[in-house]
Amino acid sequence: SQKIEQNSEALNIQEGKTATLTCNYTNYSPAYLQWYRQDPGRGPVFLLLIRENEKEKRKERLKVTFDTTLKQSLFHITASQPADSATYLCALGPGGGNKLTFGTGTQLKVEL
Amino acid sequence: DVKVTQSSRYLVKRTGEKVFLECVQDMDHENMFWYRQDPGLGLRLIYFSYDVKMKEKGDIPEGYSVSREKKERFSLILESASTNQTSMYLCASSPPAGLTDTQYFGPGTRLTVL
Repeated sequence: SQKIEQNSEALNIQEGKTATLTCNYTNYSPAYLQWYRQDPGRGPVFLLLIRENEKEKRKERLKVTFDTTLKQSLFHITASQPADSATYLCALGPGGGNKLTFGTGTQLKVEL
Repeated sequence: DVKVTQSSRYLVKRTGEKVFLECVQDMDHENMFWYRQDPGLGLRLIYFSYDVKMKEKGDIPEGYSVSREKKERFSLILESASTNQTSMYLCASSPPAGLTDTQYFGPGTRLTVL
C-alpha cells in the first residue's frame, strides 16, 4: 500500500540555521508533491508544489527538492526564525483529480 | 484570497446524535474535500466531491455521509455520532485539475463526542 513517511519526532533548531525536513514515500509514483504549513488549531496552508520533472523549487527562504529515484523530497527553510515554528506536511498527488495523500507531518521548533 | 469557512470551531455532541458539519467556499471551486486529522495518523480523506450532487468515498468513509446541493457548500454528516469520531475535521476546496493542484483548507472543527 502507499506509504508516506515524515519524521514524527520534532525538529529543534536554533534561529538563523537551516531547517531540513524529509518526506519519503513508497509504492507511489506521484505526479507532484506539495508542502503545507499547519499551525496549532488551524488548517494547513499551501507553501510549495514541485512536479515530478522538477528537481528543485525555491520561494523566498524555502527550497524543495524532489528525487523520484530515491522517492524522497527535502524541504529546507534557510535563516530560520521562531515564526517558522509549526508542523509541516508533505502531500503527494497523482495528477488529474486533485486528490492528495498526506504525510503525518513534522513539527519544527525554532529556538532563540 | 480564497476563503473556506466551517460552521463551528468547536463542537461537543453526545453519542448517538446526528451531527452536521458545514463547509462553504467562496472561490467557485469544483472540488471539495472532508478530512479528519488525528495525532499520529495525519490527515485522512473521508469524502470528496468533484461537482454538485456528486460524491466519492475517500479512505475512511464508514460512519459518515456527505451532501453537496450547491457548488459552494459541502456538508459532512455523522448519522449517529460515536466516541471514536472525536477528531479535528478539516474541509478543503480546489479548482479543477490542471489549473492548480493546491488545496485550500478551512480552519477546522474540533468535534468531541461524549
